[in-house]
Amino acid sequence: DIQMTQSPSSLSASVGDRVTITCRASQRISAYLNWYQQKPGKAPKLLIYAASSLQSGVPSRFSGSGSGTDFTLTISSLQPEDFATYYCQQSYSTPQTFGQGTKVEIK
Amino acid sequence: QVTLKESGPALVKPTQTLTLTCTFSGFSLSTSGMRVSWIRQPPGKALEWLARIDWDDDKFYSTSLKTRLTISKDTSKSQVVLTLTNMDPVDTATYYCARDVVGALYNWFDPWGQGTLVTVSS
Repeated sequence: DIQMTQSPSSLSASVGDRVTITCRASQRISAYLNWYQQKPGKAPKLLIYAASSLQSGVPSRFSGSGSGTDFTLTISSLQPEDFATYYCQQSYSTPQTFGQGTKVEIK
Repeated sequence: QVTLKESGPALVKPTQTLTLTCTFSGFSLSTSGMRVSWIRQPPGKALEWLARIDWDDDKFYSTSLKTRLTISKDTSKSQVVLTLTNMDPVDTATYYCARDVVGALYNWFDPWGQGTLVTVSS
């Protein structure tokens, strides 16, 4: 199975901050990388697919980059509604695997 | 509009078999390329993919749970059923189903059901 490692596990940031979350795959996965946002008590929501494609309806302050083994999710200017946990997921091979999550908290 | 909703028991006893149903609308699992996956999340922990069933009845399972899992579909009812045998307290989790979208080259989960919390306790 491909292992996905996110960093950091948690971070504290202020509204307006630029936030970067990284995800590393244990082997090369091309751009088969998706990002999800999950708020407490809610199902995950797709933000970014294929490493850098913004899902319809998702604000443009979210962006994704990377290919191969190293990927990044960036929030250009953190908004109050962005405080949540973010997960990366590889879809290169089955079983599809998730990172351990990054919790973004209010500073 | 595509929607999915999970249903099943909220409480199961250790050693019992869990049966969950995902009822969906807005797409058909008889259409080429359609897929549905099950994913779970223990309280306070990360997401774990469990199983997937494809339009052509291909089935795929988690490496660690494949001996305990069975996935099936009833296309006429727009339902996907997941069974997990020999339940243990560590299987306590919120169980989600999601459409596994297949693009031109890549694939992703969207949308997800609301999830159903299953607690394993005697």
